[in-house]
Amino acid sequence: GENVEQHPSTLSVQEGDSAVIKCTYSDSASNYFPWYKQELGKRPQLIIDIRSNVGEKKDQRIAVTLNKTAKHFSLHITETQPEDSAVYFCAARGANNFNKFYFGSGTKLNVKP
Amino acid sequence: DVKVTQSSRYLVKRTGEKVFLECVQDMDHENMFWYRQDPGLGLRLIYFSYDVKMKEKGDIPEGYSVSREKKERFSLILESASTNQTSMYLCASSLGLAGKNEQFFGPGTRLTVL
Repeated sequence: GENVEQHPSTLSVQEGDSAVIKCTYSDSASNYFPWYKQELGKRPQLIIDIRSNVGEKKDQRIAVTLNKTAKHFSLHITETQPEDSAVYFCAARGANNFNKFYFGSGTKLNVKP
Repeated sequence: DVKVTQSSRYLVKRTGEKVFLECVQDMDHENMFWYRQDPGLGLRLIYFSYDVKMKEKGDIPEGYSVSREKKERFSLILESASTNQTSMYLCASSLGLAGKNEQFFGPGTRLTVL
C-alpha cells in the first residue's frame, strides 16, 4: 500500500515568518493530496488539497505544491500567526480505492508571538 | 454543516472488557472510517465502510471489529480490550462520490485501558 512520510515532526517559527512542511509518498498512482489541521483538543479539519493534475494551489496565506516526479508535496504557510499553531497532517489517497487515505505522522507547528 | 458525533469523549475500561465506540453522522455520507491517533504515528486506519453492512480492513485491524447496520452509524468494537489499545479514536465520514473527498471528523474518544 501507500506510505506517506512527513517532516519535520515539530516546527517552531516566529510570528510573521513562513513555515514549510514536507511529505513524500510511495505510490506514483496516488492522485489526491489533502492537508488537515488539528488544533489542540479539536478534530482535524481540511484546510487545503491538491490533485495530481495541478502543480500548485493557493488559498490566502496557505499554499500547497506537488512534484509528481519526485513524489513529494509541501504545505507553505506565509505570515504565520499564533492561531496557526496546531498539528498538521498530510495525506494521500490510495490509488486502488479512492475512498482510502494514508496519513503522515503529523507536524506540530508552534508560532511564537 | 456536517456533523459527526461520537458516543463518548473519554472512556476508561479494564483489560478484557468488551468496548463499543459509536459514531453517528447526519449528512447521508456513504463512507465512514475509524482511525486511531497516537503521538508520532499520525492517523492510522483501523476499518472503513463504504455502504451499509460493508466493511474493509484498514492498516491495523487486529483486535478490532466494526458494525454498520444503518447508514448513519458506524461502531467500533474491541472484543477484549488490552492496554496497547489505549489511544485516541477518531471517526470520520465522507461522500462516496469521485471528486468529493473531504473527510469530516468526529471529536474523538480518548480510551484508556487499565
